[in-house]
Amino acid sequence: EAQVTQNPRYLITVTGKKLTVTCSQNMNHEYMSWYRQDPGLGLRQIYYSMNVEVTDKGDVPEGYKVSRKEKRNFPLILESPSPNQTSLYFCASSLGGAAGQPQHFGDGTRLSIL
Amino acid sequence: RKEVEQDPGPFNVPEGATVAFNCTYSNSASQSFFWYRQDCRKEPKLLMSVYSSGNEDGRFTAQLNRASQYISLLIRDSKLSDSATYLCVVYSSASKIIFGSGTRLSIRP
Repeated sequence: EAQVTQNPRYLITVTGKKLTVTCSQNMNHEYMSWYRQDPGLGLRQIYYSMNVEVTDKGDVPEGYKVSRKEKRNFPLILESPSPNQTSLYFCASSLGGAAGQPQHFGDGTRLSIL
Repeated sequence: RKEVEQDPGPFNVPEGATVAFNCTYSNSASQSFFWYRQDCRKEPKLLMSVYSSGNEDGRFTAQLNRASQYISLLIRDSKLSDSATYLCVVYSSASKIIFGSGTRLSIRP
């Protein structure tokens, strides 16, 4: 089954404790992206990747890191999480950003930073 | 001004009604447009692409108006199951994807 898999689905942690949210897709998609969704603000792009070893900042990259060492994986890293990073996070992938292909989303990760 | 704007609603309409919402975008060079549906903090799911000539999928019709820089979604014969938040998505460049904040739709029996 074609899917985007995020882990964990839920996480409660404390300020400053490094964490990683994993994202994996099995559709051989070139383009992958991370979003955060907050009430009233919609989905905002954090980082995106056009292909392996090619990543770039989205609209709200501060406090986040990503890497794209393999085509299927695109982890989101919070080196020193803070309470303002409490949010609902989505990973998405598509066949190619330049081609304007629709995005496929993971189930989401609810992150609470205390 | 936001790059992509939607009326947040909520739109509250009776079952069987026709409802339409628009989404405006500011970048005239935007190339690709989509409508997604999102249920109660679950993942967004693709509803339909939006083409210049307009396109229809069952009860749903999407239109693009490049001159006025907006896209629209029309839902005919609305069902209770259509209750959701509808997100418009605009590709303002090869890599820049912008989501609207969403329009909430509630269908009442």
